[in-house]
Amino acid sequence: DQQVKQNSPSLSVQEGRISILNCDYTNSMFDYFLWYKKYPAEGPTFLISISSIKDKNEDGRFTVFLNKSAKHLSLHIVPSQPGDSAVYFCAASASGGTSYGKLTFGQGTILTVHP
Amino acid sequence: DTGVSQNPRHKITKRGQNVTFRCDPISEHNRLYWYRQTLGQGPEFLTYFQNEAQLEKSRLLSDRFSAERPKGSFSTLEIQRTEQGDSAMYLCASSLDVGPQHFGDGTRLSIL
Repeated sequence: DQQVKQNSPSLSVQEGRISILNCDYTNSMFDYFLWYKKYPAEGPTFLISISSIKDKNEDGRFTVFLNKSAKHLSLHIVPSQPGDSAVYFCAASASGGTSYGKLTFGQGTILTVHP
Repeated sequence: DTGVSQNPRHKITKRGQNVTFRCDPISEHNRLYWYRQTLGQGPEFLTYFQNEAQLEKSRLLSDRFSAERPKGSFSTLEIQRTEQGDSAMYLCASSLDVGPQHFGDGTRLSIL
């Protein structure tokens, strides 16, 4: 049962344009969401997070949008740079109980930014 | 650099052997997590500690797997009687309370 889904295995974007990565979730108990970036042979690197009390969080070139009614979140990168080429994972967790903090990840989206 | 450190980076072993991995978290972090990642998938939760207490274990963690965090600092993950299906990247992460988790670069396990 895939509770967090990234339906696009890959995305190709031109340098300077916007990259939009999407993520859907099914568990209505999820209330904290994160995006990670992963380069080959390295562990995931935390990028940005959002709590369910917000619908937008921005950090520099990265903005995460959360649509709770649709159980959907997206990561916008603008402008995209070749160094952004990596695998992007969305992750979610549910507050309360001993499971608080345990992350459920999507399958990842490979982003390629062309110069 | 005071990031999460994992050793070894690679481990190749024969089926049936025991293996042990070590994770050193960011020093001020009280939570430590273990995940497993296979090709084409996102990391899957295995277990986590708050200080030295192991608070949750996934169904993925069979009886052959055991994790410890004896003094609330570093952690070890042991796999006994390894099987082909144990081949994966084992990732460790740490966090301060329920803040963002910071990952190490993982230990890649290959079972011959």
